[in-house]
Amino acid sequence: QVTLKESGPGILQPSQTLSLTCSFSGFSLSTSGICVSWIRQPSGKGLEWLATICWEDSKGYNPSLKNRLTISKDTSNNQAFLKITSVDTADTAIYYCARRGFGVWGDWFAYWGQGTLVTVSS
Amino acid sequence: DIVLTQSPVLAVSLGQRATISCRASQSVSISSINLMHWYQQKPGQQPKLLIYRASNLASGIPARFSGSGSGTDFTLTIDPVQADDIAAYYCQQSRESPLTFGSGTKLEIK
Repeated sequence: QVTLKESGPGILQPSQTLSLTCSFSGFSLSTSGICVSWIRQPSGKGLEWLATICWEDSKGYNPSLKNRLTISKDTSNNQAFLKITSVDTADTAIYYCARRGFGVWGDWFAYWGQGTLVTVSS
Repeated sequence: DIVLTQSPVLAVSLGQRATISCRASQSVSISSINLMHWYQQKPGQQPKLLIYRASNLASGIPARFSGSGSGTDFTLTIDPVQADDIAAYYCQQSRESPLTFGSGTKLEIK
């Protein structure tokens, strides 16, 4: 059974760095073809893909967030991480981690965590 | 970026067919592979995968849900609509990075 669970600080101040953790089970990020992504959703709004990391340590980022994102993984502990620097109120959202589908063209999000709410406020 | 356009709201009667559309700003197909996917999101819940690669039903999803389309025009069909289907529905493309989502269609009951 595949499960994912996000954790984060809950609230932080503008200009700080947001650190998020995705803890998962039922698969390994060392298995060929496996990738984990981060997606966010401001309250009442749509979904925005942020970043993806894959089994062979390839990474992809949404250019809209320019150089503020860093994704990483700890394969031994079944975790993936996302850091967002210089946050502001526009980064207030629910942050989800998700596992991709399968195959060469498998970049859909087959499994999702429950999400963690991050609020940026002074 | 590939922009995906969805109508904001669709109202249907219970037991009827719902057709939710998603139009891409450029083709999201590679040969016969259609890189469009659909999700359902109920209030307070995470999104759930319904359909992958335009027409493949995800595991555990009822056969009332189906998907079709190619190129730039895609459709999610729910037939018949049940009360439990009240939710927002999002399309997502994986033809190119950045991966993008439509703005969502809220399904309402007439």
